Amino acid sequence: DAGVTQSPTHLIKTRGQHVTLRCSPISGHKSVSWYQQVLGQGPQFIFQYYEKEERGRGNFPDRFSARQFPNYSSELNVNALLLGDSALYLCASSSWYLTQYFGPGTRLTVL
Amino acid sequence: ELKVEQNPLFLSMQEGKNYTIYCNYSTTSDRLYWYRQDPGKSLESLFVLLSNGAVKQEGRLMASLDTKARLSTLHITAAVHDLSATYFCAVETTGGADGLTFGKGTHLIIQP
Repeated sequence: DAGVTQSPTHLIKTRGQHVTLRCSPISGHKSVSWYQQVLGQGPQFIFQYYEKEERGRGNFPDRFSARQFPNYSSELNVNALLLGDSALYLCASSSWYLTQYFGPGTRLTVL
Repeated sequence: ELKVEQNPLFLSMQEGKNYTIYCNYSTTSDRLYWYRQDPGKSLESLFVLLSNGAVKQEGRLMASLDTKARLSTLHITAAVHDLSATYFCAVETTGGADGLTFGKGTHLIIQP
């Protein structure tokens, strides 16, 4: 079975631009979560979606938004990029309230 | 606010030795996870611990949970070079709606 997939793998943007990151969960998983991992730190929770509804939100500004589609894939949007948004963005999928399995991540660099 | 603290943050050890990584957390948890991350890679799930006294083992790694002390340990037995990685503990609360709260990670280097 395919694991969690994310696209793109790498992305370079400039300050003020907008970015969209995409995630496809493991087949049968209805929950998708997004995390930001800054170099040298543990991942930080951004959003959780289950059955297309937002179930949880971390301490991130409103520039960050997400949605989940009927096929349970998800996208994370970040507006007005700042240098500090440079990070590895990880998507995780799970059956509700079971182990989260992480995708390979999208490396975002903001110049 | 839930806080998760790992120690040590950096550990260099020789092959064949034993060592323990500690993970303390500040509030009641639903479950505790251990993940492994290789440089430039994503997170690999190692263990999930659900209840007080839970112990799980896989190869040279053994994880345990003491919910009363709010402490989990990851014990490495007779370390081998392939276990070099960064290890994270993560705590899940509130039915999972707040996601996982991770520690800062323990960067483990095992030297021949």
